[in-house]
Amino acid sequence: KQEVTQIPAALSVPEGENLVLNCSFTDSAIYNLQWFRQDPGKGLTSLLLIQSSQREQTSGRLNASLDKSSGRSTLYIAASQPGDSATYLCAVFPNDYKLSFGAGTTVTVRA
Amino acid sequence: DAMVIQNPRYQVTQFGKPVTLSCSQTLNHNVMYWYQQKSSQAPKLLFHYYDKDFNNEADTPDNFQSRRPNTSFCFLDIRSPGLGDAAMYLCATSRGDISYEQYFGPGTRLTVT
Repeated sequence: KQEVTQIPAALSVPEGENLVLNCSFTDSAIYNLQWFRQDPGKGLTSLLLIQSSQREQTSGRLNASLDKSSGRSTLYIAASQPGDSATYLCAVFPNDYKLSFGAGTTVTVRA
Repeated sequence: DAMVIQNPRYQVTQFGKPVTLSCSQTLNHNVMYWYQQKSSQAPKLLFHYYDKDFNNEADTPDNFQSRRPNTSFCFLDIRSPGLGDAAMYLCATSRGDISYEQYFGPGTRLTVT
């Protein structure tokens, strides 16, 4: 069974600092990996989807990398802002239609 | 804008009183999912539909049922809610092809009194 781990569970940084969020998974046989953002009491917003054949994806200040062989993905958020405060979840697609989620990293960006 | 819509956003029900949550989508995706998310936990998949084919997770309690009358709508029925069923319920859709990218609705927060 696929296990997805996100460490740390919480992170607090001053505004302007770059954020590095880690995700690890146990089974490298995945199709894709997706990063989500969740604000308190809200649904999930998709940030980036990385296909298994890709090494990274970029969108604005966000960059996500994928290393299947080591079972790791990293989400980088450049020049963090208070509006980036949220919980960030990663999820992997194994060989069926069902996402396996990590528990998330809760980020606080201090003004 | 194409989207996933969930109603209501907040639902309060009494212990043991049946409740139905609804999800609709304008994305024309053939796969629809229901997740349960408790505080500070990862979303937990309850079941999903691939077209009309229903797929139940092995550990989903019998108390939870689902209906998908057409491509656009999917319902989550909780027959006899217990206090432990209080959670955020998330609906998601995907195209069901190799992309697998899932699109989530805003969620329904269920409170059981």
